[in-house]
Amino acid sequence: GAVVSQHPSRVICKSGTSVKIECRSLDFQATTMFWYRQFPKQSLMLMATSNEGSKATYEQGVEKDKFLINHASLTLSTLTVTSAHPEDSSFYICSAGGGIKLFNEQFFGPGTRLTVL
Amino acid sequence: QKEVEQDPGPLSVPEGAIVSLNCTYSNSAFQYFMWYRQYSRKGPELLMYTYSSGNKEDGRFTAQVDKSSKYISLFIRDSQPSDSATYLCAMSRNTDKLIFGTGTRLQVFP
Repeated sequence: GAVVSQHPSRVICKSGTSVKIECRSLDFQATTMFWYRQFPKQSLMLMATSNEGSKATYEQGVEKDKFLINHASLTLSTLTVTSAHPEDSSFYICSAGGGIKLFNEQFFGPGTRLTVL
Repeated sequence: QKEVEQDPGPLSVPEGAIVSLNCTYSNSAFQYFMWYRQYSRKGPELLMYTYSSGNKEDGRFTAQVDKSSKYISLFIRDSQPSDSATYLCAMSRNTDKLIFGTGTRLQVFP
């Protein structure tokens, strides 16, 4: 099956700092990557969709200046949480889709747990 | 009303039991229906997906979609302790965007 990696798996930072999370598709080219956020006991909420080489499309209520997404290649997308605050503490998960069997199949990374102190 | 509703559980069953997990939805435009399994602090893993209505079987897992009732199910036969996880349903129209349920936490005890 398709493999998606995320780095780091866990990060703790101080309030006001910026954190970058990487998402890589290891064995396929992902035309589209997705970033989700998951709070405890809640569902995955789509934050944004990024297509390689173009600007990300953000979901309603997600601040694009706070959550910067870059999809520079077909195998790498990054999410940068700028000026992080405790309320940004969450589990961030990326997924990659497109170009694999059916375009609606998304393969998820293992997630990054962000804790902002 | 949420687009996708799923009972959060937890659902606790003995090993060997048949498990039934369900989701309801409100948007008749959904065409693709997925089930994901998520272990604690891990990303979701695709178990099965179905296009439109009907049944699909894969080993001990069977996915059913009833579009007339806007209801989907995942059945797990001969459940094992290793099946203990959170099961998420997800749905999509003809785009890449997936709408997830909140997930049902399943515990299979020996």
